[in-house]
Amino acid sequence: DTAVSQTPKYLVTQMGNDKSIKCEQNLGHDTMYWYKQDSKKFLKIMFSYNNKELIINETVPNRFSPKSPDKAHLNLHINSLELGDSAVYFCASSRGGGGRTDTQYFGPGTRLTVL
Amino acid sequence: AQSVTQLGSHVSVSEGALVLLRCNYSSSVPPYLFWYVQYPNQGLQLLLKYTTGATLVKGINGFEAEFKKSETSFHLTKPSAHMSDAAEYFCAVSRNEKLTFGTGTRLTIIP
Repeated sequence: DTAVSQTPKYLVTQMGNDKSIKCEQNLGHDTMYWYKQDSKKFLKIMFSYNNKELIINETVPNRFSPKSPDKAHLNLHINSLELGDSAVYFCASSRGGGGRTDTQYFGPGTRLTVL
Repeated sequence: AQSVTQLGSHVSVSEGALVLLRCNYSSSVPPYLFWYVQYPNQGLQLLLKYTTGATLVKGINGFEAEFKKSETSFHLTKPSAHMSDAAEYFCAVSRNEKLTFGTGTRLTIIP
């Protein structure tokens, strides 16, 4: 069974469109994250949710809106897609409550290409 | 602010040779340090982490890292490289539940 899964794996779309990426974890974790990995492989956190509540919100354009319907799911909706949004987006989860020592478990990534 | 610096964006070693990937950190508080590996077209997988206690940390696949406070380093090593070790390696430091990653080192194994 996949611990952290994301759909879709690949997403190709036109500028200006709105798209969503879904993430689910079956580890029973309380905390979930979204990371963006750019073309140079640089990884940066975007958002973090703990028990459906937003706890980390980096300086991400408000075109990006995370939604956590329950603690096992964290979806990422992107409005008005721009060329610069092209990247690989990773979902991750951790036990939560362990603070800085928690291991984060990553999904396989979603490669978004904006044309 | 906490950050990590990975020296060398690309490292090539011969199969069977020692692997050494360098990571230096800056942190205003005792650091919690991680090494993750990313195989092609996959997500990140934890190799090992240092929280407290023993400064030599052993991880999966024969990797280990040593926390050296005096040198602010957390270098990753493996005595004998295998072809399957070819991947991207990321060092990270943790603050609260936020991981800050280095820029990554691509490890190539020469047959």
